[in-house]
Amino acid sequence: DIQMTQSPSSLSASVGDRVTITCRASQSISSYLNWYQQRPGKAPQLLIYAASSLQSGVPSRFSGSGSGTDFTLTISSLQPEDFATYYCQQSYSTPRTFGQGTKVEIK
Amino acid sequence: DVQLVESGGGLVKPGGSLRLSCAASGFTFSNAWMSWVRQAPGKGLEWVGRIKSKTDGGTTDCAAPVKGRFTISRDDSKNTLYLQMNSLKTEDTAVYYCTTIRGVRLAEYFQHWGQGTLVTVSS
Repeated sequence: DIQMTQSPSSLSASVGDRVTITCRASQSISSYLNWYQQRPGKAPQLLIYAASSLQSGVPSRFSGSGSGTDFTLTISSLQPEDFATYYCQQSYSTPRTFGQGTKVEIK
Repeated sequence: DVQLVESGGGLVKPGGSLRLSCAASGFTFSNAWMSWVRQAPGKGLEWVGRIKSKTDGGTTDCAAPVKGRFTISRDDSKNTLYLQMNSLKTEDTAVYYCTTIRGVRLAEYFQHWGQGTLVTVSS
């Protein structure tokens, strides 16, 4: 199975900050990497697919990059509604696997 | 709008069975690949398995922890996805989400998610 490791596990940031979350795969997954946001008590929502494609309706302050084993999710200017947990997920092989999550908290 | 509504969760004893349903609307269900993803209390997301559309073979894949105990099926006439869970263990306690799968070949992603249904396995 491909292991996905996110860093950091949690971070504190202020509204307006630039935030970067990293996801590393245990082997190369090309660009088959997706990002999800989960607000407390809610279902996850797709943000980014295929490493860098923005899902329709997702604000442009979210962006994704990377290929191979190293990927990043960037929020260019953190908004109050962005305080949530973020997960990466690979679709290169079965079983599909997720990172452990990165919780973004208010500083 | 796409809607996915899970039902069937509840409290069950270890070794028991439960069947979850996911009623889909707002898209052509028969053409869709579908998946189940679960989340244990306070934990991260875990893929449970998927089912392809019948036109793509209708085959299923399941994660190792549930293989042989859980079965994914679909009824395209009812626009409904199912998860039959047998021989339940305490570690199966989780919120279970159904999702649509979109994308092409390896570039798959879980596009739409239901609100989830809680399964609690406890004596």
